[in-house]
Amino acid sequence: KAGVTQTPRYLIKTRGQQVTLSCSPISGHRSVSWYQQTPGQGLQFLFEYFSETQRNKGNFPGRFSGRQFSNSRSEMNVSTLELGDSALYLCASSLGTSGYTGELFFGEGSRLTVL
Amino acid sequence: SQQGEEDPQALSIQEGENATMNCSYKTSINNLQWYRQNSGRGLVHLILIRSNEREKHSGRLRVTLDTSKKSSSLLITASRAADTASYFCAPLDTGRRALTFGSGTRLQVQP
Repeated sequence: KAGVTQTPRYLIKTRGQQVTLSCSPISGHRSVSWYQQTPGQGLQFLFEYFSETQRNKGNFPGRFSGRQFSNSRSEMNVSTLELGDSALYLCASSLGTSGYTGELFFGEGSRLTVL
Repeated sequence: SQQGEEDPQALSIQEGENATMNCSYKTSINNLQWYRQNSGRGLVHLILIRSNEREKHSGRLRVTLDTSKKSSSLLITASRAADTASYFCAPLDTGRRALTFGSGTRLQVQP
């Protein structure tokens, strides 16, 4: 079974631009969560999508948004990039259905550098 | 959702020694999970312990859970250089909301 795939793996943007990151979950997984990891703030939860609906949301400004498609693939978008948005963005998938244990399967991440 | 707080922040040991990391959390949980992250990579799920379990083993890993103290520990026995990584605990609250992570314990195993 293929793992969680994130694209692109690395990207460089300049301040003010926007970026879209993609995540393909493990087949059969309906929940996709996004995390931002920085040296200063650690691993922070952005949001979780389940069956195309945002189910949980972290404490990030509205510049950070996401969506999930009917095939469970997910994208996250960051608009008007700031230097502080430089981070490793991690996507994780899980079954997401009732009775699940919450075990997450992570992708390798997308490393965003904002200049 | 709640996050665990790992202790110590950093740990350096020699190969062959045991490594113990601790985790504290605040509210009632459904289960508690431990993850490992090699530098710059994604997190890997190590082990899950349910709230009604006190101890669990997986290979060289031993996890304990004390719900009365709201704490857990991860023991890695006979450590290897390949165990060098950051380790995170993630309590899943009874509402099964999103998993959140603390700052982790950075383990360095010297060969």
